[in-house]
Amino acid sequence: AQTVTQSQPEMSVQEAETVTLSCTYDTSESNYYLFWYKQPPSRQMILVIRQEAYKQQNATENRFSVNFQKAAKSFSLKISDSQLGDTAMYFCAFMRDDMRFGAGTRLTVKP
Amino acid sequence: NAGVMQNPRHLVRRRGQEARLRCSPMKGHSHVYWYRQLPEEGLKFMVYLQKENIIDESGMPKERFSAEFPKEGPSILRIQQVVRGDSAAYFCASSPTDSSSGNTIYFGEGSWLTVV
Repeated sequence: AQTVTQSQPEMSVQEAETVTLSCTYDTSESNYYLFWYKQPPSRQMILVIRQEAYKQQNATENRFSVNFQKAAKSFSLKISDSQLGDTAMYFCAFMRDDMRFGAGTRLTVKP
Repeated sequence: NAGVMQNPRHLVRRRGQEARLRCSPMKGHSHVYWYRQLPEEGLKFMVYLQKENIIDESGMPKERFSAEFPKEGPSILRIQQVVRGDSAAYFCASSPTDSSSGNTIYFGEGSWLTVV
């Protein structure tokens, strides 16, 4: 079974600065998909960014970008120009046949 | 196009009662997933269903929990004889086709079960 590991339970960053959230995963598959989801205090799950494993180019979505290292099975999320509204739980997810999540990183953006 | 609809949003049950959580997938989506989130924890996969079929139920507790996705109507997650440890947020998600093709799954807003 695939496992997803987020080694940073909590992180904080000053507003306008950059922060990187780590994620590693374990799989024997070659084709799969990776995601970052954001869960604000409302508890709604919001898709942040998506990466296809067969694509070498790192996905980017406005202030959010990933560093996808397939050989290392690493999928980190970089948030640039952090905003107060970025404060949330962030979950890394792996999808092959279904979606499996890491334990999450609680990010706090400080004014 | 309405998103994934879950109801009830909040449900309170006494120990020993039954809880039924409903999920209507997005229009055109035929695949449904259920996840459980305990307080201060991540989402744990429970079950993956297609219409009238359970594809993967490896995350479902062996007893008291069941799920269905009938040909007509919403998907139902049923918890019999609830205990306090069942108190959690239950999220439903849906996708249009086989998830191995990489379709993003979309989440509902969750159903919060409180067992008293």
